[in-house]
Amino acid sequence: DTAVSQTPKYLVTQMGNDKSIKCEQNLGHDTMYWYKQDSKKFLKIMFSYNNKELIINETVPNRFSPKSPDKAHLNLHINSLELGDSAVYFCASSPGTFSGNTIYFGEGSWLTVV
Amino acid sequence: ILNVEQSPQSLHVQEGDSTNFTCSFPSSNFYALHWYRWETAKSPEALFVMTLNGDEKKKGRISATLNTKEGYSYLYIKGSQPEDSATYLCASTPMDSSYKLIFGSGTRLLVRP
Repeated sequence: DTAVSQTPKYLVTQMGNDKSIKCEQNLGHDTMYWYKQDSKKFLKIMFSYNNKELIINETVPNRFSPKSPDKAHLNLHINSLELGDSAVYFCASSPGTFSGNTIYFGEGSWLTVV
Repeated sequence: ILNVEQSPQSLHVQEGDSTNFTCSFPSSNFYALHWYRWETAKSPEALFVMTLNGDEKKKGRISATLNTKEGYSYLYIKGSQPEDSATYLCASTPMDSSYKLIFGSGTRLLVRP
């Protein structure tokens, strides 16, 4: 069973569209994250939720809105997609917010905006 | 050092060679250091989490050390195998932003049979 699963794995869409990427974890973790792999291949945090509450919101455009219906799910909705949004987006989870916890990642969602 | 830096960027070795690479991080703002192994199109796989100066961890042929005073960690692979080919990522958790990982850009390792 996949511990952190995200869908879709590949998404090609036109500029201006609205799209969502879904993420689910079956590890019983309290904390979930969205990371983005930027053009220089760095993984950078976008958001973190702990028990459905937002605890990190990095300087991300407000076209990006995370939604956590329960602590096993953290979905990423992107409005008015732009070319620069093309990237790989990774969902992740950890047992809690303790810094020494291992963070478990999904396989990534490749978003291409054309 | 303001960011997490990894070197070298890429490395090609022969099967059986031992190898190591470096991760540098801000020592003045540090809580934990994470190493991940990442194959393209797969999930980054956690290898180690270290917090204490002088920590050394081992998993099979892979080991890592941590120097928090000078702000670096080494990852060692003994007797590299083709299946070790992957990108090795390190990430630091800063003391003042304890909920997030600051990643380096990775070291891409290719082990030739």
